Amino acid sequence: SQTIHQWPATLVQPVGSPLSLECTVEGTSNPNLYWYRQAAGRGLQLLFYSVGIGQISSEVPQNLSASRPQDRQFILSSKKLLLSDSGFYLCAATTSYTDTQYFGPGTRLTVL
Amino acid sequence: DAKTTQPPSMDCAEGRAANLPCNHSTISGNEYVYWYRQIHSQGPQYIIHGLKNNETNEMASLIITEDRKSSTLILPHATLRDTAVYYCIVFNRGSRLTFGEGTQLTVNP
Repeated sequence: SQTIHQWPATLVQPVGSPLSLECTVEGTSNPNLYWYRQAAGRGLQLLFYSVGIGQISSEVPQNLSASRPQDRQFILSSKKLLLSDSGFYLCAATTSYTDTQYFGPGTRLTVL
Repeated sequence: DAKTTQPPSMDCAEGRAANLPCNHSTISGNEYVYWYRQIHSQGPQYIIHGLKNNETNEMASLIITEDRKSSTLILPHATLRDTAVYYCIVFNRGSRLTFGEGTQLTVNP
């Protein structure tokens, strides 16, 4: 079975600082990968998804970017954080044999 | 993707069955019904999914009505660790996953 790792688990950053969140997947190859943000409340917002190395689709215009340097690695970045970037960031993956999305443990980002 | 309607909160006694309803009256023929749950400050956990037949796994059972306009997630013997927000989602496989407000299930001792 697949396992999704995310780090760091929590992060407090000042406004204007850069960001790098990492997601890695074990137990499957060639997964589709997703970055979501969950703000206060419960709604989940899809930010980026990737169907392969170097292939990134952006769902929402923003100051965030994503990269997929390896098959099972997905990175969320920003050059300058905004207060509105605070939230709970979730990485999800689908395996090569099912479209069910499995989520990682998440990263809690607070921008001050 | 079809919209779902769930009660905002429910309570259940420990050891009893928890039955969580979901309405999805606009579901289309190729949309699946998925259930996830999220314990506070953790990532969503996949529970079960189905298309039109009832499904059961080690976590829960999913009952889908014959017209597919509603479904019920059943946790047969709820424990305190089942306290979480439960999300019912309908979507086409391969499309984006959208979580609504979900149902806050509280299991009481």
